[in-house]
Amino acid sequence: SQTIHQWPATLVQPVGSPLSLECTVEGTSNPNLYWYRQAAGRGLQLLFYSVGIGQISSEVPQNLSASRPQDRQFILSSKKLLLSDSGFYLCAWSVSGGDHEQFFGPGTRLTVL
Amino acid sequence: AQSVTQLDSQVPVFEEAPVELRCNYSSSVSVYLFWYVQYPNQGLQLLLKYLSGSTLVKGINGFEAEFNKSQTSFHLRKPSVHISDTAEYFCAVTPRGGYNKLIFGAGTRLAVHP
Repeated sequence: SQTIHQWPATLVQPVGSPLSLECTVEGTSNPNLYWYRQAAGRGLQLLFYSVGIGQISSEVPQNLSASRPQDRQFILSSKKLLLSDSGFYLCAWSVSGGDHEQFFGPGTRLTVL
Repeated sequence: AQSVTQLDSQVPVFEEAPVELRCNYSSSVSVYLFWYVQYPNQGLQLLLKYLSGSTLVKGINGFEAEFNKSQTSFHLRKPSVHISDTAEYFCAVTPRGGYNKLIFGAGTRLAVHP
């Protein structure tokens, strides 16, 4: 069966520090991968998606970036965090060419102080 | 472009009462529709999805939803809720033939009281 992992589970970082959040998927090949952010009390905002290694599309302009160095690994990064980067970050995957269902990871709670 | 409106940000209900969470969408093309549930500090879990066929879709945990194309709605229902159903519920759509980009509503917080 397929599983999706995210780490760390929680993170507290000072403003201006760098960020690296990791997501890995097991049990599937060539998945579509997604990064979402959920601000407190709000819905999900799609940040990045990837349909293959090295292929990243950005949905919103911001100081975050994403990379996909391996087929089942998706990394969210920032060189300098802002207060507004605080939130709950969710990684998801879907079957390429499948029925459009997305499977979500457990999330990372990021607090920028 | 697509958009999703969840008409209620919060829905309080007593245990064993019926509940309906409303979702309307806007799209110039045909869409697939989803309902997800999120328990506190967890990821999202799929409740049910509509791809084609019967407009009444049954999901997990006793939930069901009905796709109404003329009213562009996909309301979620449960005939009798439990305390454990307390969670955030998200409606989402994706255009048919696309690459799986989900557009989410803002969510509805269901609070079940004893």
